[in-house]
Amino acid sequence: NAGVMQNPRHLVRRRGQEARLRCSPMKGHSHVYWYRQLPEEGLKFMVYLQKENIIDESGMPKERFSAEFPKEGPSILRIQQVVRGDSAAYFCASSPDEGELFFGEGSRLTVL
Amino acid sequence: AQSVTQLGSHVSVSEGALVLLRCNYSSSVPPYLFWYVQYPNQGLQLLLKYTTGATLVKGINGFEAEFKKSETSFHLTKPSAHMSDAAEYFCAVTFTTDSWGKFQFGAGTQVVVTP
Repeated sequence: NAGVMQNPRHLVRRRGQEARLRCSPMKGHSHVYWYRQLPEEGLKFMVYLQKENIIDESGMPKERFSAEFPKEGPSILRIQQVVRGDSAAYFCASSPDEGELFFGEGSRLTVL
Repeated sequence: AQSVTQLGSHVSVSEGALVLLRCNYSSSVPPYLFWYVQYPNQGLQLLLKYTTGATLVKGINGFEAEFKKSETSFHLTKPSAHMSDAAEYFCAVTFTTDSWGKFQFGAGTQVVVTP
C-alpha cells in the first residue's frame, strides 16, 4: 500500500506566480489535511478536507490560498501570487475516518 | 487558550543514555496527545499516541510516554539512545472540541546522539 504521495517535492516560484501542490492520500483514506512548516517551527494546521467538501479551513490564510479535494484525483493546495513568506514545507496527511494521520514527505516551496 | 509547548529545541545525548523530551499542554478540555518523529527531508512518522485508557503508552523503536493530567504533561522517554534516534521530534495535541486531525504541534526538539 503506497503511502501519501505529494508532488512536486520541490517547487521554485518567483514572486507573483502561482504554486500548485498535489496530494494523493493513501488508498482507502477519505480525509486529507494540509499543514505548513516554516523554518525552525512546528507544523501549523491549514485545512481539513473530505471528498468534495472543506470541513475545517480555520488555518488557511484568508487570501491567495485555496484547497480542494475533488471526487476524482488528488487534493490540491493552490497559492496564488506567491510572496517570499510563503516559502515553507507543505505537508499533506490522510486518515481513514478519524484514525491515525499518515504524512507525506512534503513539498518544499521556495519563492525567489 | 489551548496550546502545546516543547521544552528545549535541541537535546544532545550520548549513545546508550536516557532520552527525555518534554511536552506540556494547556487545555480545559480532554486532549489527545501524540509524538511524531521527522527524519531529514521526510514526512512525520507516528511514534505513539494517547487518546484514552492507560496513561503509560508504549510506541515504536523503544519509546514510551506518560500522560500526567495533573502536570498537563506528555514527556517522551527512551531508556537507551541509539544513533538512529537522531532526528527531530514533535509533540502534537488535538482536543475533543476540535476537528479530528486539527493538530497543534510543538516547535520540535532536535535530538543529536553522540558516540
